[in-house]
Amino acid sequence: SQQGEEDPQALSIQEGENATMNCSYKTSINNLQWYRQNSGRGLVHLILIRSNEREKHSGRLRVTLDTSKKSSSLLITASRAADTASYFCATDPNSGGYNKLIFGAGTRLAVHP
Amino acid sequence: GAGVSQTPSNKVTEKGKYVELRCDPISGHTALYWYRQSLGQGPEFLIYFQGTGAADDSGLPNDRFFAVRPEGSVSTLKIQRTERGDSAVYLCASSLTSGNTDTQYFGPGTRLTVL
Repeated sequence: SQQGEEDPQALSIQEGENATMNCSYKTSINNLQWYRQNSGRGLVHLILIRSNEREKHSGRLRVTLDTSKKSSSLLITASRAADTASYFCATDPNSGGYNKLIFGAGTRLAVHP
Repeated sequence: GAGVSQTPSNKVTEKGKYVELRCDPISGHTALYWYRQSLGQGPEFLIYFQGTGAADDSGLPNDRFFAVRPEGSVSTLKIQRTERGDSAVYLCASSLTSGNTDTQYFGPGTRLTVL
């Protein structure tokens, strides 16, 4: 079963606009990660935010985490056509000392030139 | 350097057949994970190896699925008596260690189609 839900399921924007994707999860976590996937194949790690962090930046990416609401958001600023992909949040609820990731169903982002 | 590689990239088989999917992790990575991704869904955890041993196989759907990593590097996911519901993309990931902040690097996946 999947841990998280992404919202929206699909997002269509113009180049230059910002894209915001949300993720909600169910159990307590060690950390939350965002991944990108092109064409339904390999995933690329974007950013990790620990459970004791509230916000993190990486280039044009901004991630927030609200553990009281069990939710996270990914903001992509000044989007480009090359950002077109599916974006997944993944949580690590495991307490066994290893990184068993639980993924949401993803947001499909389309950025139009 | 080389990333995670998976072979074959595509596999078409008939219902009831046996298949093997191979994963070559990044050299030196001790942790290896298999995930399965159905169309329109996120990846679902199947099994985790630390070194040669399967430390967590709780995600394997049933006993038709089995995975090995005999020398602590290459891993093979084996599916017996394949069913149409096994059709999916099978993803492998490796990380340097198994720490929960270690980045998992994913391979391109093997798309399995069971006719």
